[in-house]
Order: sequence, then C-alpha cells, then structure tokens
Amino acid sequence: QSALTQPPSASGSPGQSVTISCTGTSSDVGGYNYVSWYQQHPGKAPKLMIYDVSKRPSGVPDRFSGSKSGNTASLTVSGLQADDEADYYCGSYADNHNLEFGGGTKLTVL
Amino acid sequence: EVQLVESGGGLVQPGGSLRLSCAASGFSFSSYWMSWVRQAPGKGLEWVANIYQDGSEIWYMDSVKGRFTISRDNAKNSLFLQMNSLRADDTAVYYCTRGLTRSEYWGQGTLVTVSS
Repeated sequence: QSALTQPPSASGSPGQSVTISCTGTSSDVGGYNYVSWYQQHPGKAPKLMIYDVSKRPSGVPDRFSGSKSGNTASLTVSGLQADDEADYYCGSYADNHNLEFGGGTKLTVL
Repeated sequence: EVQLVESGGGLVQPGGSLRLSCAASGFSFSSYWMSWVRQAPGKGLEWVANIYQDGSEIWYMDSVKGRFTISRDNAKNSLFLQMNSLRADDTAVYYCTRGLTRSEYWGQGTLVTVSS
C-alpha cells in the first residue's frame, strides 16, 4: 500500500491534455511544497519531471506542469505525444524525513 | 554530466547478505543528500534510506530498520547499502538517487533477488 494515492490509469489522444492526481495527507503533500513527479518508460530508470510542486528541471518540456491544492497534487501533460506514454509516479517529502511515492499511473496515449 | 552507477546486486538466499555500491561522478558528491529507492518487479517505487552529506544524519523505512545500513565514502564518491537478513519481499531493483526532497538523478539500478 503506497503512502500517496494515484489513479492506476489515465489516457488521452495525441494533442489533448491529461491530468493525474496524487493525494496524500497533511504530513506529506499538504505539509510541504516538496512534491515531485517522475516519468518511467518500461525497463528504464525513472526521470524527474517536476519538483517543488511546479518547477521543471532543465530539458523537461513546458507541456508538463504541476500544481497542488491542500493534500492533493496534480500533474498535467498538455499536447500529448506518443512518447509521453509511460508510468508516472508522484513523490512527496514527509514528516518522517523520508520520500514517499504514489503507486503510479499508467498513461496511455490513444 | 551527472552519473550514478550501481553494482553489487544478484541472487541471494533468504537470510543472506548483500552489499550494494553506487559510484557517483559529474557533481560534488559530498554536497548532496543521497538515497536508495527500490522497485519490486511490476510494482511501484519505494524509498529505502537516505544519508546526509557527511553521514551524520540517516533515515530508514520501517521495514528495513535494523537490517539495512546506508553509508558513504565522500573521498571515493561512493554510496553503499549493506543489506542483512534479506527476505523475499526485499526482491527489487535498487536505485541510487541524489537528493532528499526529490530524487533528481537516478542510476540504472541493480537487481536484488532473494530466493532459495
């Protein structure tokens, strides 16, 4: 059982937008502005896509954006492309000095 | 270019031990928190442990406390994970990552399989 709750799947057609949610508690998502999002293609290591709720590392397209309201964070992928099809994990720093992860969302580009 | 290269994984019997290593390059290793994150086959990500720049602060997930030990050698730009009393549910790909509040960079991972 993952500490953070994500929907198991999401989908959208090329060019559309999709939003993935990540729900935690006041001890993690709600208590810190340290939410991160990771993209993982099959057989590959995860890649950081968003950090500190809404910041993008260098090289990540601005089609990826993050936000947070209360105990729920969201990742929005706009202008969906075929290569966006992957598993997405949210992460949050938590009270007990650890980094909690969600169970992952499989994004399918139809 | 930041690089993290894990090694030391393999097949081990339940109750056995294994020591994972992570060689870091391309950044000032001693300036960053480092972490281990694992992923069981077909499952999600799970944080295991992290260690402060000078090793003076260490945190573990509950299920590995007393069995795993994270350490670092800043002179050799290396991170380690000593795993004792291994159990079947420790089977996973173990990733070395940089950061505390986020995992900025990831290695390619090393597979640990606990089975008789």
